[in-house]
Amino acid sequence: EVQLVESGGGLVKPGGSLRLSCAASGFTFSNYSMNWVRQAPGRGLEWVSSISSGSSYIYYADSVKGRFTISRDNAKNSLYLQMNSLRAEDTAVYYCARGGRRWGQGTLVTVSS
Amino acid sequence: DIQMTQSPSSLSASVGDRVTITCQASQDISNYLNWYQQKPGKAPKLLIYDASNLETGVPSRFSGSGSGTDFTFTISSLQPEDIATYYCQQYDNLLLTFGQGTRLEIK
Repeated sequence: EVQLVESGGGLVKPGGSLRLSCAASGFTFSNYSMNWVRQAPGRGLEWVSSISSGSSYIYYADSVKGRFTISRDNAKNSLYLQMNSLRAEDTAVYYCARGGRRWGQGTLVTVSS
Repeated sequence: DIQMTQSPSSLSASVGDRVTITCQASQDISNYLNWYQQKPGKAPKLLIYDASNLETGVPSRFSGSGSGTDFTFTISSLQPEDIATYYCQQYDNLLLTFGQGTRLEIK
């Protein structure tokens, strides 16, 4: 069974950092590009970042470019999102997703003093 | 960047009604469009991929059409369990954009 399990969310002060992880199982992780998508409370879905299967291609939304870094470790079947210089507007549930079909349950990031 | 304009933002309909949501892309995206259903507290669920293909296990009352810049999502006969927020999403290689969402309520 395909599973994506996010972790690493929590409460952080503005300007702080957080690293999200997504553990993948049930499929050949190294064959798939992966995405991070977020959803602020009461708001719509917002694409954050994507990474190709071999990490050759990486893209970011303008709202996080220069502050967030996506990476993956195919040997560990894991996807990461390093988030630096966090702002209140980064408060959201962060989902990792494999294409459109497979999503994790999400992890909540709250940026507040 | 490709922008997606989804309408309406909210919709109230009765059980059994035909419901239509539209999504317009700012440039030609061929058929690279997904439609999702999201219920409160849950991850999005893929309903339609490549603009018109029904995802496995999704009821046939859901359908999608369109190509290029204009797309339509239809529920042929609204059921109570369809109450949710619906999103379109384009995929230009690894660059994704979501529509603003349509909140669907029962009248």
